[in-house]
This record gives sequence, C-alpha cells and structure tokens, in this order.
Amino acid sequence: GEDVEQSLFLSVREGDSSVINCTYTDSSSTYLYWYKQEPGAGLQLLTYIFSNMDMKQDQRLTVLLNKKDKHLSLRIADTQTGDSAIYFCAESKDTGRRALTFGSGTRLQVQP
Amino acid sequence: DTGVSQDPRHKITKRGQNVTFRCDPISEHNRLYWYRQTLGQGPEFLTYFQNEAQLEKSRLLSDRFSAERPKGSFSTLEIQRTEQGDSAMYLCASSFNGGVYEQYFGPGTRLTVT
Repeated sequence: GEDVEQSLFLSVREGDSSVINCTYTDSSSTYLYWYKQEPGAGLQLLTYIFSNMDMKQDQRLTVLLNKKDKHLSLRIADTQTGDSAIYFCAESKDTGRRALTFGSGTRLQVQP
Repeated sequence: DTGVSQDPRHKITKRGQNVTFRCDPISEHNRLYWYRQTLGQGPEFLTYFQNEAQLEKSRLLSDRFSAERPKGSFSTLEIQRTEQGDSAMYLCASSFNGGVYEQYFGPGTRLTVT
C-alpha cells in the first residue's frame, strides 16, 4: 500500500540550513510535494517535483529526489524563525483521483 | 482570487448532533477534495468531486458522512450523529483538472465533539 514516512522533529539555529527528509513506498508516484502548516492553519503548498526530475530549486528551497531509493528531501537555506512550522511530504499519481497521500509531518524548530 | 475558504473555522458540538461544513474553492478549479487531519498526523483523503460529480469516497467516510457539490462550485460536508472520534480538522482543497494538479488548501474547520 501507499506509505510516506518522515522524521518527527528537527531543530536548527537561525541562519543554518535545514534538511527535512521523506521516504515513500509507491514507485508509481508521479508528483511529490512539500507543504507547510503553521499552528491552527491550513496547508501551504511550498513546492513540488515530478518523479522524472532529480532536483528543483526555488529561492531558498531545494528539493532533491532519489527515485531509486524513493527518498525526497527539502533543504531550506538560511533558515529563519518564520520557517518554524510542520512540513509535510506528499505524493500523488498521474491518474484517477490524484488525491494526496501525506506523511505525518516534520516539526521544524528554529532557534534564534 | 481569494483562495480556498471554509466555514466555520471552529465548531463545537455535542455527541449525537449533526454538523455541516462549507468549502468555497478557487473559482476556476473544477476538482474539490475533502481531507481529515487528526492531531499529530498528516491529512487523510475522504472524498473528491470533479465539477458536481462525486467520483470517489474513502473507506474512512462512514455512512454518517455525506458530501455534496450541487452546482460544481461550493461543497458541503455533513456529519450526522457525531461521535467523539469525529473530532478533527476537516480540510478542503481544490485543483484544476490539468497540469500538475497542485492542490490548494483552505484554513480548515476544526470540529470538537463533546
């Protein structure tokens, strides 16, 4: 079945880089996404990557995909206190309902 | 474009009561999804619509749950005879049926069943 796993917690100092990791099991996943959720709020789409790509960069965000190992990572450069939130990895297929399957989220704590 | 909106933001109800939530998607989006998120977990898929047609329901969606999207615009999610286990955040997302199918989420409705 589909499964997406993430580590629960990451703590970094302001100005450092953060790397949040995710693994997924379904090799037919076509799109992989990163969402950010702040307390009491909905999910904000940060970025996505197609399964036929290895890397995508968007300002301070870099997504790396190792399709062979089914491993996805999100690197946030120059992490700021405003980046403190829960980050969710999600995957979807290219057919059918295209609903998202989410991991349990990684809580990022940025210390000043 | 005001994004996806949901109403109410918070709902407290007593066990056994019925509740209804509303979602207004981004106007040009023809796909609408409902997800449920419990504490410490990622959202889980409940159901989705393409235009006014409800195309799939998760097995998480018991018979007490019903969703509609009568004119292909806003959607409602009704829970009948609420139970304490229904307490969760109910999230709505919309997407355009094409391209990358990015889903944009609303702020959610937090339901507390006492």
